[in-house]
Amino acid sequence: KAGVTQTPRYLIKTRGQQVTLSCSPISGHRSVSWYQQTPGQGLQFLFEYFSETQRNKGNFPGRFSGRQFSNSRSEMNVSTLELGDSALYLCASSLALNEQFFGPGTRLTVL
Amino acid sequence: AQKVTQAQTEISVVEKEDVTLDCVYETRDTTYYLFWYKQPPSGELVFLIRRNSFDEQNEISGRYSWNFQKSTSSFNFTITASQVVDSAVYFCALSEAFGGSQGNLIFGKGTKLSVKP
Repeated sequence: KAGVTQTPRYLIKTRGQQVTLSCSPISGHRSVSWYQQTPGQGLQFLFEYFSETQRNKGNFPGRFSGRQFSNSRSEMNVSTLELGDSALYLCASSLALNEQFFGPGTRLTVL
Repeated sequence: AQKVTQAQTEISVVEKEDVTLDCVYETRDTTYYLFWYKQPPSGELVFLIRRNSFDEQNEISGRYSWNFQKSTSSFNFTITASQVVDSAVYFCALSEAFGGSQGNLIFGKGTKLSVKP
């Protein structure tokens, strides 16, 4: 069974730009969660989607948004990028009430 | 508020030593889940174990074992006879079971384990 895939793996943007990251969950998994990992703040929850609906949201500004499609694939978007948005963005998928399986992440660098 | 504390920032051991990684959590929920993940240098988080709040039995899986004690709000992880391949950052995490959602994992800051040959 293929694991969680994330694209792109690496991304370099400049301040003020926007970016879209993509996540394809494990086949059959309907829940997708996103996390931001930085050296200072560690791993922080962004949001969770289940059956195309946002089920849970972390404490991030409105510049961070996401969506989920009918095939469970998910995208997250960050608008008006700031230097502090540089991070590893991790996506995880799960069956209901089971452990989350993480993808390799997208490393975003904002210059 | 929920919180996970991993007091050990870095641990260095020599191969074949046993090592215990500490995890202390805070939650007001009576039903919750605890997890351990491993993050090797490649960056991908690897699931190790999930434990729910009603199951205080210790678990052993090969060289790995976990000690869950609700009385002290701790969920410690022991690696027996450590190997160089165990070198990684280990994260303890907590999630509530509200509404069936476990999508919100609250992570500790992680413990970087270095196993030297």
